Amino acid sequence: DTEVTQTPKHLVMGMTNKKSLKCEQHMGHRAMYWYKQKAKKPPELMFVYSYEKLSINESVPSRFSPECPNSSLLNLHLHALQPEDSALYLCASSPGILRDRTPGRQAFFGQGTRLTVV
Amino acid sequence: AQKVTQAQTEISVVEKEDVTLDCVYETRDTTYYLFWYKQPPSGELVFLIRRNSFDEQNEISGRYSWNFQKSTSSFNFTITASQVVDSAVYFCALRTGSYQLTFGKGTKLSVIP
Repeated sequence: DTEVTQTPKHLVMGMTNKKSLKCEQHMGHRAMYWYKQKAKKPPELMFVYSYEKLSINESVPSRFSPECPNSSLLNLHLHALQPEDSALYLCASSPGILRDRTPGRQAFFGQGTRLTVV
Repeated sequence: AQKVTQAQTEISVVEKEDVTLDCVYETRDTTYYLFWYKQPPSGELVFLIRRNSFDEQNEISGRYSWNFQKSTSSFNFTITASQVVDSAVYFCALRTGSYQLTFGKGTKLSVIP
């Protein structure tokens, strides 16, 4: 199983709503990532979890709140979003965060959640 | 700082033509890894290949081939005998000793029947 599963695939929410995006992998990967991708742009890193602990927050606004309940699950809680937050949100996992000369390993990406904030 | 440049924003080819997607990277690290990902309209990023900076051997996988040249900091991707299913956005990406992938802006490939 080399899949990263994201739910829901599509989400429309109002600016006052609270919603959550979910990501799941069963490859035993210990690093999980959230990326945001606007239309016709490359993915931009938001958060990195390593061994279930938040290791990187790329100055993401607090209306995005990540959570890693266990090594297989990664959530992204959304609250009071703005229309400009509409984007494709991609989850990824990899065996681990690279250190020094560790051989590179690819990150597996999910299909993404297409979020529209109205 | 690291950077990936994909100068071709959009390319259109007729089916069965060969097409090369260019990727130029910048990094001061001596150890780094280069990737190509395919993103079809469905949205997921599909891993295609990974190369490390110590291995300049070119690689062929079916209709896909990659040309890695450190002297010009390029990692180009060629699709031979293109097919409609190859239509997608292709991203080149760079990873150094840290955690994240730096993506190029992507090249949208349209293969016309």
